Amino acid sequence: AIQLTQSPSSLSASVGDRVTITCRASQGITSGLVWYQQRPGKPPKLLIYDASNLESGVPSRFSGSDSGTDFTLTISSLQPEDFATYYCQHFNSYPQITFGQGTRLEIK
Amino acid sequence: EVQLVQSGAEMKKPGESLKISCKGSGYSFSFYWIGWVRQMPGKGLEWMGIISPGDSRTRYSPSFQGQVTISADKSITTAYLQWSSLKASDTAMYYCVRAAGSSQYYFDYWGQGTPVTVSS
Repeated sequence: AIQLTQSPSSLSASVGDRVTITCRASQGITSGLVWYQQRPGKPPKLLIYDASNLESGVPSRFSGSDSGTDFTLTISSLQPEDFATYYCQHFNSYPQITFGQGTRLEIK
Repeated sequence: EVQLVQSGAEMKKPGESLKISCKGSGYSFSFYWIGWVRQMPGKGLEWMGIISPGDSRTRYSPSFQGQVTISADKSITTAYLQWSSLKASDTAMYYCVRAAGSSQYYFDYWGQGTPVTVSS
């Protein structure tokens, strides 16, 4: 089964900063990578699907990219509401579904 | 409006059985897979399994195979997650989720979560 490793596990940043979170797959994957945001006490929210497609209603400061085994989520200019935990997720056609361990983004 | 509404908080003792529910509305329930995701206190997300409500095809994570049962009743647009014998380690928040589309097993809608506490 594919394993997903996110880095860093936690990150401190300031409002206005640009941040990047990486999700590395244990083997090459060509599709099926998404990103979620989870604020404390809330269910996760879909941000990005197919590695780089912005879900409807998600601010354009969020973006995603991929290089086969490494996938990145970038927030171009942090806003106060962006301080949350971010998860990547992969799926295949069977389906088997895997989450990364999460990246906690905190206010510096 | 798509909604997944889960049943309320549960407090159980080890060894007891439990069935929690997730009612879908605002879309064609039979045509979208419904999954379950566990989040233990202070921890990350874990996929448990998924069901196609239209034909009850079910897939489980290897970590949860044999530990839980996922089912659905399309006539009342409700999916279920059940345990036959709970353990303290089942204490967690459980989310039901809707897969986004055909062969697209990511989750565009989430239920509000059902907290389950298992303690003697």
